[in-house]
Amino acid sequence: KAGVTQTPRYLIKTRGQQVTLSCSPISGHRSVSWYQQTPGQGLQFLFEYFSETQRNKGNFPGRFSGRQFSNSRSEMNVSTLELGDSALYLCASSLGGQWTEAFFGQGTRLTVV
Amino acid sequence: AQSVTQLDSQVPVFEEAPVELRCNYSSSVSVYLFWYVQYPNQGLQLLLKYLSGSTLVKGINGFEAEFNKSQTSFHLRKPSVHISDTAEYFCAVSRGVYALNFGKGTSLLVTP
Repeated sequence: KAGVTQTPRYLIKTRGQQVTLSCSPISGHRSVSWYQQTPGQGLQFLFEYFSETQRNKGNFPGRFSGRQFSNSRSEMNVSTLELGDSALYLCASSLGGQWTEAFFGQGTRLTVV
Repeated sequence: AQSVTQLDSQVPVFEEAPVELRCNYSSSVSVYLFWYVQYPNQGLQLLLKYLSGSTLVKGINGFEAEFNKSQTSFHLRKPSVHISDTAEYFCAVSRGVYALNFGKGTSLLVTP
């Protein structure tokens, strides 16, 4: 079956702009999580959605937001982009139980100039 | 709060040699531990996980890890590595609320 699909794979944006990233989970998966990966901070949890509800949120400013649709697809939005937002953004999907395996997409590489 | 420390940022090793990637965690409650691998320009792939039961966990690609509660460690091992094992390896602990705390990663470089 198809894996987790993230679009686009690469993005270049200017400081102050906003950006929306998309994640399509594996069919049947109802949980979607988002992570930010940078060389300095490593992998950091952004938020998790299950059946359109945010169940958990990491320590990121309010500029970072997300949502999930009824078909489990998810988007994350970053407003007023800063240079430090340049990162690989990874999406993971799972069945939704607390200890079920999370399957990761290939990520979206965001560069802010 | 739960945190993860990967003790080595880089581990060079020759092909067919054994390797151990070290991971320590801190937590005041029961933990669930994972090892993921990331190949260049790819997402993360689960190698193995410890939820409960036997402390020796076997994963994919010949990797295994041992959960040691007294030493709060979850080291990853492979008896004989291949060139194709060259990648970034991440240890993670579940926060228990649908999120993972990752270590900084260990870059494994296998040379002929």
